[in-house]
Amino acid sequence: ELKVEQNPLFLSMQEGKNYTIYCNYSTTSDRLYWYRQDPGKSLESLFVLLSNGAVKQEGRLMASLDTKARLSTLHITAAVHDLSATYFCAVVTGKSTFGDGTTLTVKP
Amino acid sequence: DTGVSQDPRHKITKRGQNVTFRCDPISEHNRLYWYRQTLGQGPEFLTYFQNEAQLEKSRLLSDRFSAERPKGSFSTLEIQRTEQGDSAMYLCASSPRPGHRTDTQYFGPGTRLTVL
Repeated sequence: ELKVEQNPLFLSMQEGKNYTIYCNYSTTSDRLYWYRQDPGKSLESLFVLLSNGAVKQEGRLMASLDTKARLSTLHITAAVHDLSATYFCAVVTGKSTFGDGTTLTVKP
Repeated sequence: DTGVSQDPRHKITKRGQNVTFRCDPISEHNRLYWYRQTLGQGPEFLTYFQNEAQLEKSRLLSDRFSAERPKGSFSTLEIQRTEQGDSAMYLCASSPRPGHRTDTQYFGPGTRLTVL
């Protein structure tokens, strides 16, 4: 059974700092997705990573994929309060398997 | 493009009752997914359709849960004989065919189920 593990599960950081969220998965896949969820809301797509070495950037967020290591990272640069949310990675192998999420809190 | 819609948004029911939820995907999307999410967890896959064909389903759907997408457009998720443990947010998502330039899942607002 495919397992998707994120770490850390909780992250509190100060504005202006950098940090990386890690997503490890247990089986071969060339499709990995990152989503954002605000409290009480549904999920919003952030990045789609479709091949080994793929790198996508949007604002202060950058995602990468290493299919050989079965690892994706979501890097946060110079965090701001608006980035506070829960971030999920998901691996699609027909069905979708999500990690448990990383809840990010950015403090002034 | 009005996005993915779900109905109802909230449902309160008594234990043992049956409930049915509806999902309307983005019109040109041929894949449709159902998930269940509880507080502090990631979405748990239930099933997915490509057009009207149900391609994969979790073990959960072999019991009291069933889903249909009869004409390849909207879908329904039914839970029979609800239990308190079924209380959760039920999410629907749709996506275009794999390889499409916007290949990702677009989520609806969810249906929050409370079983008393």
